[in-house]
Parts: sequence; C-alpha cells; structure tokens
Amino acid sequence: DTEVTQTPKHLVMGMTNKKSLKCEQHMGHRAMYWYKQKAKKPPELMFVYSYEKLSINESVPSRFSPECPNSSLLNLHLHALQPEDSALYLCASSPPGTTNEKLFFGSGTQLSVL
Amino acid sequence: KQEVTQIPAALSVPEGENLVLNCSFTDSAIYNLQWFRQDPGKGLTSLLLIQSSQREQTSGRLNASLDKSSGRSTLYIAASQPGDSATYLCAPQMNRDDKIIFGKGTRLHILP
Repeated sequence: DTEVTQTPKHLVMGMTNKKSLKCEQHMGHRAMYWYKQKAKKPPELMFVYSYEKLSINESVPSRFSPECPNSSLLNLHLHALQPEDSALYLCASSPPGTTNEKLFFGSGTQLSVL
Repeated sequence: KQEVTQIPAALSVPEGENLVLNCSFTDSAIYNLQWFRQDPGKGLTSLLLIQSSQREQTSGRLNASLDKSSGRSTLYIAASQPGDSATYLCAPQMNRDDKIIFGKGTRLHILP
C-alpha cells in the first residue's frame, strides 16, 4: 500500500458543528502532517507529528485540534470553525529520517464552512 | 525569511512544445529543492528533488536544474502532452527537518 488515504473527500459544516477529518497510511511512515490550502494558493503547514508526538504547531487556532492515535492514523478535529476556514485540507506522511523532505500527499478533504 | 517566486503564474502552450518553468528564491543557503505537481482539487506529487550539492535531476521528460548561487531553479518539460496540464510548485527546504516553503505555482495548460 503506497497511498495516503483521506476521508471524507468533501465536507460541509456549519459554524456550530463538530467534525473530524481522517488520514491513514500503511507505508511505515513515522511523520505525518496537516496542510491547509486555499484556492490558487500554495499549501500552508499546520501541524507535524513525528513518532506520534506533536513536533510542530504553526500557531494554528485552537478550533483545529490534531490527534495521532497511532503511527498509521492522523485526525484533525474541527469545532466552531469560521467561513474563512473553508479550504482544501491535505494530509501527508514521510518515511523515517526524511521529516519534511520526502512527502507523500493524500488527495485532500475539501471543506466548506457555512 | 525565504521568499519563493514562480514565473509565469500561468502558461498555455500547444501540445508537443518544450517548455521551461522558472523559480527564484531569495535565500540561497538551501538544503534541497523540490518540484511538485498538483492536479485541481487534489494532493501534491513530488516530481524531482535536487540536493544542494547537485546541479540537476532528470525523470523521463522532466529535467530540473538548480543554480544555488543565483537563487534559481528551472523545470524543463520536453514534448508536452495534455496530461501534463496541472499546477507546478517549486519548494526549497532550508535545513534538514525544516518545513518546505512552497512557491505559488505555475498553472500549466497544454492545448491538444
């Protein structure tokens, strides 16, 4: 299995909802990432987990809460989001020893906040 | 702070042409530089990675060059095909374990 799988592919939520994005990989990668990408902009790093520990938080608002339950799974919990949080959320992973270097991306979750 | 500029922002060319995408960066002390491809609404795929000690990398019809001292990289695509239509992003990394810094990309459209 050489894929990073993200679910759901599309999500529409209200500002009072709580939802979660999921990301899974079975390539033995030990670093996993969340990126946010607005339309026609480059991806922006949000969080990095290395060996299931949060190693980078790029000053992301607390309404985004990451979780790494095990080495294959990465979640992003969403609560009280704003319309400006609408974006493509990308998950990525990288092999051991290549943190931030060799990135394998999922296809993303397109999030719309109403 | 590293700033990455990609020119042109968008490009349309007829199928079969050879083309060059340009990337410039302000801080030449990079660790490596990657070129990524992104199809609309999809994730990114790494095409080529050039280490700071290298001058170029090739993969099939793609060739990426790096001139660290001048802060420039180019992506050359030979014999372009409609399937090459995508956004191409240049992404230097300053140090090992540092985050990758993405340029805004060049949106490429190959006309059949």
